Amino acid sequence: ETGVTQTPRHLVMGMTNKKSLKCEQHLGHNAMYWYKQSAKKPLELMFVYNFKEQTENNSVPSRFSPECPNSSHLFLHLHTLQPEDSALYLCASSQDYRGPDTQYFGPGTRLTVL
Amino acid sequence: AQKVTQAQTEISVVEKEDVTLDCVYETRDTTYYLFWYKQPPSGELVFLIRRNSFDEQNEISGRYSWNFQKSTSSFNFTITASQVVDSAVYFCALRTQGGSEKLVFGKGTKLTVNP
Repeated sequence: ETGVTQTPRHLVMGMTNKKSLKCEQHLGHNAMYWYKQSAKKPLELMFVYNFKEQTENNSVPSRFSPECPNSSHLFLHLHTLQPEDSALYLCASSQDYRGPDTQYFGPGTRLTVL
Repeated sequence: AQKVTQAQTEISVVEKEDVTLDCVYETRDTTYYLFWYKQPPSGELVFLIRRNSFDEQNEISGRYSWNFQKSTSSFNFTITASQVVDSAVYFCALRTQGGSEKLVFGKGTKLTVNP
């Protein structure tokens, strides 16, 4: 069961490009998250949106710009990235941001920055 | 501060062996939630289980079982009669109620089940 979808699944971009990652959840949840997963490092929380409002920005560089137009959709706009930004970007959703709610993850977008 | 330690970086077993993945957590909060996720090569993190801090009852789901012990701050995961399809990276995670409430992940244990 895949309640959270992400597109594209793979993305290769140059350092001067602008691209966007898309996430959609079909679970009726109110909170959505972006995580970054680099090799040899734990998952890093990047952004949190609860009821379309950004509740957390984990000191993420401004070259990453999130957008949450509604509770079902989440975007991550990318511009002038660096090679060290190459990673798996995972989107997740949960019923609410607080409390015990389980986060459900999408399949991720594997990003390569040349 | 919250912390999750998965000391086993990689484990390799032969099919049908039992295997236990260790998870040790740290938190000062009295209410917290522990999770296990599976990440197959495709990349998606698949939710396996959530356990509340006030419920120490162990759980079994098919070949999977979880042993939660507050006295040792551990939440270990056992796969009985492992199968090749169990090959994946397994993550233990902790979320507290109050404070930052972030989901804190361990570094993961890569399990390889060989035929």
